[in-house]
Amino acid sequence: DGGITQSPKYLFRKEGQNVTLSCEQNLNHDAMYWYRQDPGQGLRLIYYSQIVNDFQKGDIAEGYSVSREKKESFPLTVTSAQKNPTAFYLCASSIDEGSGTEAFFGQGTRLTVV
Amino acid sequence: GQNIDQPTEMTATEGAIVQINCTYQTSGFNGLFWYQQHAGEAPTFLSYNVLDGLEEKGRFSSFLSRSKGYSYLLLKELQMKDSASYLCAVKDSNYQLIWGAGTKLIIKP
Repeated sequence: DGGITQSPKYLFRKEGQNVTLSCEQNLNHDAMYWYRQDPGQGLRLIYYSQIVNDFQKGDIAEGYSVSREKKESFPLTVTSAQKNPTAFYLCASSIDEGSGTEAFFGQGTRLTVV
Repeated sequence: GQNIDQPTEMTATEGAIVQINCTYQTSGFNGLFWYQQHAGEAPTFLSYNVLDGLEEKGRFSSFLSRSKGYSYLLLKELQMKDSASYLCAVKDSNYQLIWGAGTKLIIKP
Protein backbone atom coordinates (compact mmCIF):
# COMPACT_ATOMS: atom_id res chain seq x y z
CA ASP A 1 0.00 0.00 0.00
CA GLY A 2 1.24 3.47 -0.82
CA GLY A 3 1.56 5.92 1.97
CA ILE A 4 3.66 8.20 4.08
CA THR A 5 5.30 6.93 7.25
CA GLN A 6 6.67 8.87 10.17
CA SER A 7 8.68 7.41 12.97
CA PRO A 8 8.75 7.27 15.88
CA LYS A 9 5.22 8.11 17.01
CA TYR A 10 6.43 9.35 20.40
CA LEU A 11 9.85 10.79 21.13
CA PHE A 12 11.41 12.13 24.30
CA ARG A 13 14.47 14.33 24.22
CA LYS A 14 16.63 15.89 26.86
CA GLU A 15 17.29 19.58 26.63
CA GLY A 16 20.42 20.34 24.62
CA GLN A 17 20.15 17.27 22.42
CA ASN A 18 19.49 17.11 18.71
CA VAL A 19 16.90 14.64 17.48
CA THR A 20 15.92 13.47 14.00
CA LEU A 21 12.37 12.65 12.93
CA SER A 22 11.97 10.26 10.04
CA CYS A 23 9.56 10.67 7.12
CA GLU A 24 9.33 8.24 4.21
CA GLN A 25 6.83 8.11 1.35
CA ASN A 26 6.31 5.59 -1.45
CA LEU A 27 3.72 7.64 -3.33
CA ASN A 28 6.28 8.93 -5.84
CA HIS A 29 5.45 12.47 -4.78
CA ASP A 30 7.81 15.31 -5.66
CA ALA A 31 6.82 17.71 -2.89
CA MET A 32 7.31 17.04 0.82
CA TYR A 33 6.59 19.21 3.84
CA TRP A 34 7.17 19.42 7.57
CA TYR A 35 4.61 21.09 9.79
CA ARG A 36 4.41 21.77 13.47
CA GLN A 37 1.05 21.66 15.25
CA ASP A 38 0.48 23.30 18.63
CA PRO A 39 -2.81 23.44 20.54
CA GLY A 40 -5.08 26.24 19.38
CA GLN A 41 -2.96 27.06 16.35
CA GLY A 42 -3.03 26.16 12.70
CA LEU A 43 -0.35 23.99 11.16
CA ARG A 44 2.83 25.98 10.69
CA LEU A 45 5.27 25.20 7.90
CA ILE A 46 8.84 24.43 8.97
CA TYR A 47 10.48 23.35 5.71
CA TYR A 48 9.38 22.10 2.33
CA SER A 49 11.01 20.47 -0.65
CA GLN A 50 9.80 20.43 -4.23
CA ILE A 51 12.54 18.22 -5.62
CA VAL A 52 15.46 16.07 -4.55
CA ASN A 53 18.48 17.99 -3.24
CA ASP A 54 16.47 21.19 -2.85
CA PHE A 55 14.47 22.54 0.07
CA GLN A 56 13.11 25.87 1.27
CA LYS A 57 12.54 27.41 4.67
CA GLY A 58 8.99 27.80 5.85
CA ASP A 59 7.62 30.25 8.38
CA ILE A 60 9.32 28.76 11.46
CA ALA A 61 12.57 27.19 10.22
CA GLU A 62 14.81 28.49 13.00
CA GLY A 63 16.21 25.66 15.11
CA TYR A 64 15.37 23.00 12.52
CA SER A 65 17.24 21.42 9.60
CA VAL A 66 16.28 19.02 6.81
CA SER A 67 17.78 17.06 3.94
CA ARG A 68 16.31 15.63 0.76
CA GLU A 69 18.88 13.21 -0.61
CA LYS A 70 16.27 10.80 -1.91
CA LYS A 71 12.81 11.43 -3.34
CA GLU A 72 11.27 9.11 -0.77
CA SER A 73 12.84 10.59 2.34
CA PHE A 74 12.68 13.97 4.08
CA PRO A 75 14.07 13.75 7.64
CA LEU A 76 13.74 16.65 10.05
CA THR A 77 16.34 17.41 12.71
CA VAL A 78 15.24 19.39 15.74
CA THR A 79 18.38 21.03 17.05
CA SER A 80 19.21 22.32 20.49
CA ALA A 81 18.75 25.84 19.07
CA GLN A 82 14.98 25.31 18.91
CA LYS A 83 13.74 27.02 22.07
CA ASN A 84 10.37 25.34 22.41
CA PRO A 85 10.50 22.01 20.57
CA THR A 86 7.72 20.18 22.40
CA ALA A 87 4.98 19.78 19.76
CA PHE A 88 3.23 17.44 17.35
CA TYR A 89 5.19 17.21 14.08
CA LEU A 90 3.50 16.26 10.83
CA CYS A 91 5.15 15.29 7.58
CA ALA A 92 3.17 15.54 4.34
CA SER A 93 3.67 14.96 0.65
CA SER A 94 1.87 15.92 -2.54
CA ILE A 95 2.31 15.09 -6.22
CA ASP A 96 3.56 18.62 -6.78
CA GLU A 97 2.76 22.11 -5.58
CA GLY A 98 -0.03 22.60 -8.09
CA SER A 99 -3.24 24.15 -6.94
CA GLY A 100 -5.50 21.10 -6.89
CA THR A 101 -3.17 18.59 -5.37
CA GLU A 102 -4.02 17.62 -1.84
CA ALA A 103 -1.42 16.76 0.73
CA PHE A 104 -1.18 13.32 2.32
CA PHE A 105 -0.01 13.23 5.91
CA GLY A 106 1.97 10.82 8.01
CA GLN A 107 0.61 9.80 11.42
CA GLY A 108 2.74 12.36 13.20
CA THR A 109 5.51 12.36 15.81
CA ARG A 110 4.84 13.79 19.25
CA LEU A 111 8.09 15.21 20.58
CA THR A 112 8.46 15.99 24.27
CA VAL A 113 11.50 17.68 25.76
CA VAL A 114 12.22 16.50 29.31
CA GLY B 1 -0.89 39.35 6.93
CA GLN B 2 -2.60 36.15 5.92
CA ASN B 3 -5.41 34.85 8.09
CA ILE B 4 -7.85 31.96 8.23
CA ASP B 5 -10.68 32.11 10.78
CA GLN B 6 -12.80 29.22 12.00
CA PRO B 7 -14.86 28.74 15.15
CA THR B 8 -12.84 27.03 17.87
CA GLU B 9 -15.47 24.52 18.88
CA MET B 10 -18.98 23.42 17.89
CA THR B 11 -21.41 20.92 19.34
CA ALA B 12 -24.09 19.01 17.43
CA THR B 13 -26.40 16.07 17.91
CA GLU B 14 -26.09 12.67 16.28
CA GLY B 15 -28.22 12.51 13.14
CA ALA B 16 -28.36 16.29 12.73
CA ILE B 17 -26.69 18.69 10.28
CA VAL B 18 -23.84 21.06 11.13
CA GLN B 19 -22.17 23.83 9.14
CA ILE B 20 -18.57 24.83 9.90
CA ASN B 21 -17.59 28.21 8.53
CA CYS B 22 -14.21 29.42 7.35
CA THR B 23 -13.25 32.95 6.31
CA TYR B 24 -9.91 33.80 4.80
CA GLN B 25 -7.70 36.71 3.86
CA THR B 26 -4.71 35.57 1.84
CA SER B 27 -2.31 36.94 -0.73
CA GLY B 28 -3.76 35.23 -3.75
CA PHE B 29 -5.99 32.18 -3.96
CA ASN B 30 -5.27 28.81 -5.52
CA GLY B 31 -7.90 26.69 -3.89
CA LEU B 32 -9.38 25.88 -0.50
CA PHE B 33 -9.11 22.53 1.28
CA TRP B 34 -10.97 20.90 4.14
CA TYR B 35 -9.32 18.20 6.24
CA GLN B 36 -10.58 16.06 9.10
CA GLN B 37 -8.27 15.30 12.01
CA HIS B 38 -9.06 12.93 14.86
CA ALA B 39 -7.20 13.62 18.09
CA GLY B 40 -3.54 12.59 17.88
CA GLU B 41 -3.85 11.45 14.28
CA ALA B 42 -2.97 12.73 10.83
CA PRO B 43 -5.28 15.09 8.96
CA THR B 44 -7.15 13.39 6.12
CA PHE B 45 -8.38 15.16 3.00
CA LEU B 46 -12.12 15.84 2.71
CA SER B 47 -12.70 18.34 -0.08
CA TYR B 48 -11.24 20.89 -2.45
CA ASN B 49 -12.89 24.01 -3.90
CA VAL B 50 -11.36 26.37 -6.41
CA LEU B 51 -14.48 27.70 -8.15
CA ASP B 52 -17.51 29.27 -6.49
CA GLY B 53 -20.27 26.91 -5.57
CA LEU B 54 -21.07 23.72 -3.79
CA GLU B 55 -19.13 20.46 -4.01
CA GLU B 56 -20.98 17.44 -2.67
CA LYS B 57 -19.34 14.22 -1.58
CA GLY B 58 -21.64 11.84 0.24
CA ARG B 59 -22.61 13.20 3.65
CA PHE B 60 -20.10 16.04 3.32
CA SER B 61 -20.44 19.15 1.15
CA SER B 62 -18.21 22.19 0.84
CA PHE B 63 -19.13 25.63 -0.43
CA LEU B 64 -16.91 28.47 -1.66
CA SER B 65 -17.48 32.16 -2.35
CA ARG B 66 -14.23 33.73 -3.52
CA SER B 67 -15.66 37.26 -3.60
CA LYS B 68 -16.56 36.97 0.09
CA GLY B 69 -13.46 35.02 1.14
CA TYR B 70 -15.77 32.44 2.65
CA SER B 71 -16.27 28.71 2.73
CA TYR B 72 -18.28 26.27 4.75
CA LEU B 73 -18.23 22.54 5.32
CA LEU B 74 -21.65 20.94 5.73
CA LEU B 75 -21.93 17.60 7.47
CA LYS B 76 -25.24 15.75 7.26
CA GLU B 77 -26.61 12.76 9.18
CA LEU B 78 -23.98 13.21 11.83
CA GLN B 79 -22.40 10.11 13.32
CA MET B 80 -20.40 9.77 16.51
CA LYS B 81 -17.29 9.04 14.42
CA ASP B 82 -17.56 12.55 12.96
CA SER B 83 -16.29 13.91 16.29
CA ALA B 84 -12.98 15.42 15.20
CA SER B 85 -11.29 18.67 14.32
CA TYR B 86 -11.98 20.14 10.89
CA LEU B 87 -9.18 22.16 9.33
CA CYS B 88 -9.64 24.78 6.63
CA ALA B 89 -6.60 25.63 4.48
CA VAL B 90 -6.05 27.97 1.53
CA LYS B 91 -3.30 27.81 -1.09
CA ASP B 92 -1.93 31.29 -1.59
CA SER B 93 -0.29 32.88 -4.63
CA ASN B 94 2.94 30.94 -3.89
CA TYR B 95 1.01 27.66 -3.68
CA GLN B 96 1.71 27.45 0.03
CA LEU B 97 -1.04 26.18 2.31
CA ILE B 98 -2.21 28.62 4.97
CA TRP B 99 -4.02 26.76 7.76
CA GLY B 100 -6.78 27.73 10.12
CA ALA B 101 -6.53 26.60 13.75
CA GLY B 102 -9.29 24.06 13.21
CA THR B 103 -12.81 23.60 14.56
CA LYS B 104 -13.32 20.90 17.17
CA LEU B 105 -16.69 19.26 16.52
CA ILE B 106 -18.31 17.44 19.42
CA ILE B 107 -21.17 15.07 18.61
CA LYS B 108 -23.63 14.23 21.37
CA PRO B 109 -25.99 11.24 21.31
